[in-house]
Amino acid sequence: EAGVTQFPSHSVIEKGQTVTLRCDPISGHDNLYWYRRVMGKEIKFLLHFVKESKQDESGMPNNRFLAERTGGTYSTLKVQPAELEDSGVYFCASSQDGGRGSPLHFGNGTRLTVT
Amino acid sequence: GDSVTQMEGPVTLSEEAFLTINCTYTATGYPSLFWYVQYPGEGLQLLLKATKADDKGSNKGFEATYRKETTSFHLEKGSVQVSDSAVYFCALHNTGGFKTIFGAGTRLFVKA
Repeated sequence: EAGVTQFPSHSVIEKGQTVTLRCDPISGHDNLYWYRRVMGKEIKFLLHFVKESKQDESGMPNNRFLAERTGGTYSTLKVQPAELEDSGVYFCASSQDGGRGSPLHFGNGTRLTVT
Repeated sequence: GDSVTQMEGPVTLSEEAFLTINCTYTATGYPSLFWYVQYPGEGLQLLLKATKADDKGSNKGFEATYRKETTSFHLEKGSVQVSDSAVYFCALHNTGGFKTIFGAGTRLFVKA
């Protein structure tokens, strides 16, 4: 089966610009998660979709971040306008049932650099 | 809230050395515990997991035992290889919740 894919792998933008990250989960995985790792620190939760619905968006930093999952398939994460502190690696992950014993399947991440 | 603390890296070892990466957690309830590994240029992948106290997860020569009394899940390997060089993340997923919480990661370098 195809794994979780993320696009682009790298993005360099200037402060104030807009960037959209895309994630295609494993087919059939209803649960989709966005995480971010900044400057070698812990991987922080951003939000969780179950199909097309936002289950938990408590980790979204502010209203400059907008995530969507139309149709319950792929997801996008838009940052508008980008700030310097948004730089980091954004990971997408999916899982089949979302339960406590269910492991996450990760994409390779998008490295975002805001200059 | 729930949290995971793991030893800071980097950890540098010679090939065939014994590896321990410490991980402790804080959580209410009965979380599942995981170790994920990130090889250079790749995403995280599950290394092993344990879902209840005293369970031992194992994979590729790595082991970790769920110790509820010490709230720990230390990762061990008896003889590391150069190919084990990677970043290792300890994580938990608690009952009643839908998100996995990660530690800061520990980078391991293994020299030939």
